[in-house]
Amino acid sequence: EVQLVESGGGLVQPGGSLRLSCAASGFTFSSYDMHWVRQATGKGLEWVSAIGTAGDPYYPGSVKGRFTISRENAKNSLYLQMNSLRAGDTAVYYCARGLGIAAAGPFDYWGQGTLVTVSS
Amino acid sequence: SYVLTQPPSVSVAPGKTARITCGGNNIGSKSVHWYQQKPGQAPVLVIYYDSDRPSGIPERFSGSNSGNTATLTISRVEAGDEADYYCQVWDSSSGVFGGGTKLTVL
Repeated sequence: EVQLVESGGGLVQPGGSLRLSCAASGFTFSSYDMHWVRQATGKGLEWVSAIGTAGDPYYPGSVKGRFTISRENAKNSLYLQMNSLRAGDTAVYYCARGLGIAAAGPFDYWGQGTLVTVSS
Repeated sequence: SYVLTQPPSVSVAPGKTARITCGGNNIGSKSVHWYQQKPGQAPVLVIYYDSDRPSGIPERFSGSNSGNTATLTISRVEAGDEADYYCQVWDSSSGVFGGGTKLTVL
């Protein structure tokens, strides 16, 4: 059974940093691209970052230069280092498995999410 | 940047057919994926590559994509289908979601 479990969320002050983790199990982690998707309370989904099987990262303009995605295949783990956090980054952050960025594939499995709150 | 437009809400009576649209410039040339999200839960993939259904998703869920509009169709709607639905595509190596549609079962 595919499982994705996020951790590392919490309360952080504006300008601060936080590192999210996602522990994967039930599939060959190294064979899949992985993603972070966030959702502010009462709002829609927003794609935050992706990392390919070769470790190649992808970001939207809203987080580029502030967020860094990485993976550690030996530990079946995905990470998101978030710096220079803003109030607008407050959201539930989901880890999701992808079926191929080059193939424009979907996110077929999602974790339950971890809440990040940026506030003074 | 690429924009996907969904109606904020759609209402349908039980047993009827619900159609949720996702508009985008020449979206027919892209692969569209659909997700269902119930309150307090993570999204679930219900349609991928325009019209394919993951295992475990009822045949009542179907999709189409042509021109400037992709459509998620839910036949014989049930109370349990009440949820938010999001369309998603890839554009220039960036993931793009529609704003979401709240499906209300009357």
